Amino acid sequence: GENVEQHPSTLSVQEGDSAVIKCTYSDSASNYFPWYKQELGKGPQLIIDIRSNVGEKKDQRIAVTLNKTAKHFSLHITETQPEDSAVYFCAAPKKTSYDKVIFGPGTSLSVIP
Amino acid sequence: EAGVAQSPRYKIIEKRQSVAFWCNPISGHATLYWYQQILGQGPKLLIQFQNNGVVDDSQLPKDRFSAERLKGVDSTLKIQPAKLEDSAVYLCASRRLAGGPKQFFGPGTRLTVL
Repeated sequence: GENVEQHPSTLSVQEGDSAVIKCTYSDSASNYFPWYKQELGKGPQLIIDIRSNVGEKKDQRIAVTLNKTAKHFSLHITETQPEDSAVYFCAAPKKTSYDKVIFGPGTSLSVIP
Repeated sequence: EAGVAQSPRYKIIEKRQSVAFWCNPISGHATLYWYQQILGQGPKLLIQFQNNGVVDDSQLPKDRFSAERLKGVDSTLKIQPAKLEDSAVYLCASRRLAGGPKQFFGPGTRLTVL
C-alpha cells in the first residue's frame, strides 16, 4: 500500500524567510497530492493540491512542486508570517482513487517574529 | 456554508468505559470519513461512508469500534470498551460526491482514556 514520508518533522524560520517541506510517496500510480494545514485545536484544512499531470502549482505565497520520477513533492511557503505557524500534512492517495488519502506524519512550522 | 460539526469537543473516560462521538457533515456531502489522530501523527482513516453505506472500514478495530450513518447524514462513532491507546483526537470529514477530492474537516473530539 501507499507509504508517505515527510521531512522535516519540525521547522523554525524567521518571519519573511521561506519554508520548504518535502514528502515522498511509494506508489508510482498515485495521481493526487494535497497539503493540509492544521492549527492548534482545529481540524486540518486543505491549502493547496496538485494533480500528477502538472509539475508545479502556485497560490499567492504557497506553491507545490511534484517530481514524479523521484516520487516526491514539496510545499514552499514564501515571505512567511506568524500566522503560518501550524502543523502541515502532505497526503497521497490510497490506491489510485483520490477519495481516500494517506497522511504523512506532519511538520510543525514555527515562524519567529 | 456551515462547516462540519462534531461533539463533544473533549471527553475524558476511564479505560473499559464506552464513549460515542457525533458528526454532522456539511449539507449535501455524501461522503463522510472518521479519522483517528494520535498526538504527533497524521490522521489515520478509520472508516469511510458514502451516503449510509460503508465504503472502507479496513482500518477500523471492529472488536471495539463501531460506526453508523443510518440516514446518510450525521454519523456516530463508538468505542466499547476503551483502551489507553485510544487516547487521540477523532476527526470527522466530509466531501461532496462529485465535488473533487477536497475533504472538509470538523474540529475534532479529543478523547483521553485514563
